[in-house]
Amino acid sequence: EVQLVESGGGLVQPGGSLNLSCAASGLTFSNYWMNWVRQAPGKGLVWVSRIKGDGSNAAYADSVKGRFTISRDNAKNTLYLQMNSLRDEDTAVYYCGTDRYGPGDYWGQGILVTVSS
Amino acid sequence: QSALTQPPSASGSPGQSVTISCTGTSSDVGGYNYVSWYQQHPDKAPKLMIYEATKRPSGVPDRFSGSKSGNTASLTVSGLQAEDEADYYCSSYAGSNIFVFGTGTKVTVL
Repeated sequence: EVQLVESGGGLVQPGGSLNLSCAASGLTFSNYWMNWVRQAPGKGLVWVSRIKGDGSNAAYADSVKGRFTISRDNAKNTLYLQMNSLRDEDTAVYYCGTDRYGPGDYWGQGILVTVSS
Repeated sequence: QSALTQPPSASGSPGQSVTISCTGTSSDVGGYNYVSWYQQHPDKAPKLMIYEATKRPSGVPDRFSGSKSGNTASLTVSGLQAEDEADYYCSSYAGSNIFVFGTGTKVTVL
């Protein structure tokens, strides 16, 4: 059974940083592209970032480009999202998802990031 | 990276059908067959319901079907059941390793 578990969220001040992790099990992690998707409170899903199985071909939404960095450690079956220069509008639940057919075939449970002073 | 357009809401009585549209452009929905649909219940993670515009993952009831014509994709839920009440989102590949989601549709079972 595929399991994705996000961690690393919490409350951070504007301008601060957080590093999210997504631990994967039940799959050959290095074979999968992976995505981060976020959802602000009461709002819709928004694609954030994507990375190829070998760690190449990272892509970002315009709203986070230059501030967020996606990476992965295939030896640890873990996906990361380093978030810098955080803004109020980055407040959201962040989901990681496997990518065979789109931004999420399997999804984690989500992790809340709150940016507030 | 503009969001795909979905109607805010749709509804139907149990047993009826409801169809949700997802309108994009030739740079996303119209340019690729990589359209997927997700169901999301309150405070839950999304669930993949349709991929590659028309294909159903294992375990998804055949009451759910997808189609695409030009720049518009559609999700039809036939034989509505109470548990189908949820938010539904479409997504499309938009080139250059980028995805875009739809604005979301709240389906209500009357």
